[in-house]
Amino acid sequence: EAQVTQNPRYLITVTGKKLTVTCSQNMNHEYMSWYRQDPGLGLRQIYYSMNVEVTDKGDVPEGYKVSRKEKRNFPLILESPSPNQTSLYFCASSLPYYEQYFGPGTRLTVT
Amino acid sequence: DAKTTQPNSMESNEEEPVHLPCNHSTISGTDYIHWYRQLPSQGPEYVIHGLTSNVNNRMASLAIAEDRKSSTLILHRATLRDAAVYYCILRDGRDDKIIFGKGTRLHILP
Repeated sequence: EAQVTQNPRYLITVTGKKLTVTCSQNMNHEYMSWYRQDPGLGLRQIYYSMNVEVTDKGDVPEGYKVSRKEKRNFPLILESPSPNQTSLYFCASSLPYYEQYFGPGTRLTVT
Repeated sequence: DAKTTQPNSMESNEEEPVHLPCNHSTISGTDYIHWYRQLPSQGPEYVIHGLTSNVNNRMASLAIAEDRKSSTLILHRATLRDAAVYYCILRDGRDDKIIFGKGTRLHILP
C-alpha cells in the first residue's frame, strides 16, 4: 500500500532534549516536505527536499534541521526543542509539482 | 512568495453545488494552483490542481480565471462527508516551495 509513515505519532518531551521525528515513503517520490500546523495559523512549511542531498528552507525553518540521505526517508530533527515548537507535524511526499501524500501526523508537546 | 486568500468559512446545503473561492493576485507564471482538504483529525488530502486551464476529476472541478489571479473549487453535489477545511495553495514551479493559506472551513447542512 502506498503510504507515508511518521514516527512517533505522539511525543511529550522536555525543553532542550534533542529529538528526531522520522518520515518514510514507499512511492519512490523525489519531493518530501515537513509542515507544522497550529490553531489559527494553518499549515506552514518547515523544510522541503527535491531529491537526495537537496534540502531547502520553507516558511518556518528556525529551530529545525532535516537531512535527506536516502530517497525514502526525511527525518525532522529538533536539536534543542522549546515550548513554542509544540505543534502537530505532518510529513508529505510527491513527484515534483504533483499531488502530495501526507502522513498521519505527529503531535509533539514540549514542556 | 505568492500567497492565497480564502474566506474563513462557508456553509452549504447537502446535495447542492459548492463554489469555494480563492484569490492569488500575486501568482507568478510558474505557480501551480493546488487544492487540498483536511477532514477532522486527519492529514490533508489532495483534491485537484491546475496551471492555466480548468480541470475536472472525480472529486471536484477547478475553474481558473483567465488572468490566473483567482480560482474556484467546485464540488458538484456536496455531501456531509465533504465537511472539511479546504486549502488553496500555490506550488512554485521553479523551486517547488509550497505556501498554505489558512483555508476555508466548509460546513454542510443536512
